[in-house]
Amino acid sequence: SQQGEEDPQALSIQEGENATMNCSYKTSINNLQWYRQNSGRGLVHLILIRSNEREKHSGRLRVTLDTSKKSSSLLITASRAADTASYFCATDARTGANNLFFGTGTRLTVIP
Amino acid sequence: EPEVTQTPSHQVTQMGQEVILRCVPISNHLYFYWYRQILGQKVEFLVSFYNNEISEKSEIFDDQFSVERPDGSNFTLKIRSTKLEDSAMYFCASSIPAGGPSGNTIYFGEGSWLTVV
Repeated sequence: SQQGEEDPQALSIQEGENATMNCSYKTSINNLQWYRQNSGRGLVHLILIRSNEREKHSGRLRVTLDTSKKSSSLLITASRAADTASYFCATDARTGANNLFFGTGTRLTVIP
Repeated sequence: EPEVTQTPSHQVTQMGQEVILRCVPISNHLYFYWYRQILGQKVEFLVSFYNNEISEKSEIFDDQFSVERPDGSNFTLKIRSTKLEDSAMYFCASSIPAGGPSGNTIYFGEGSWLTVV
């Protein structure tokens, strides 16, 4: 199975703090993506990091990728209550298929 | 910003009935997908579609499921005879081919909640 596994499963922090979520996967990838999902809503694409990249930034988001450890982290700096959501990592396959394999997600709660 | 749109947002159906979920992918995208998420569980891949045919499907996508692109804009998922365990959120998604500037970013719709009773 290629699915990613996020940890922690749930994270609760105070507004203004940083939130770090981790993802591990099992097989070689072309890229890894992070998505956000508000309860009962669709998946919003946050950031894509390619297998030859080690770090990427987008606004308050910072993603790292360590292909030797098959792991990635998502850091949200200066968290806001509106960041409360579930965060998923998703990996593709190096076989050329374009579908994604999702992890179980981290449920982030930011307390105002 | 272009988006994937799905209808209906919520559908309740009797067990054994046929259901069609509709999607309008982003207009310049060429790959189309259906995923599902059973309540409280992870998002699962069902099927991908390219060049008017299925390119890949998962074990979940058995004979009761089918996909179609009936015209130039719509992409549909049909469940022939629904079961209770088909109750889930079904997400349509689309992407440009891999290798482009955005890589294989897959954009998802808001989902269609299917409740089978």
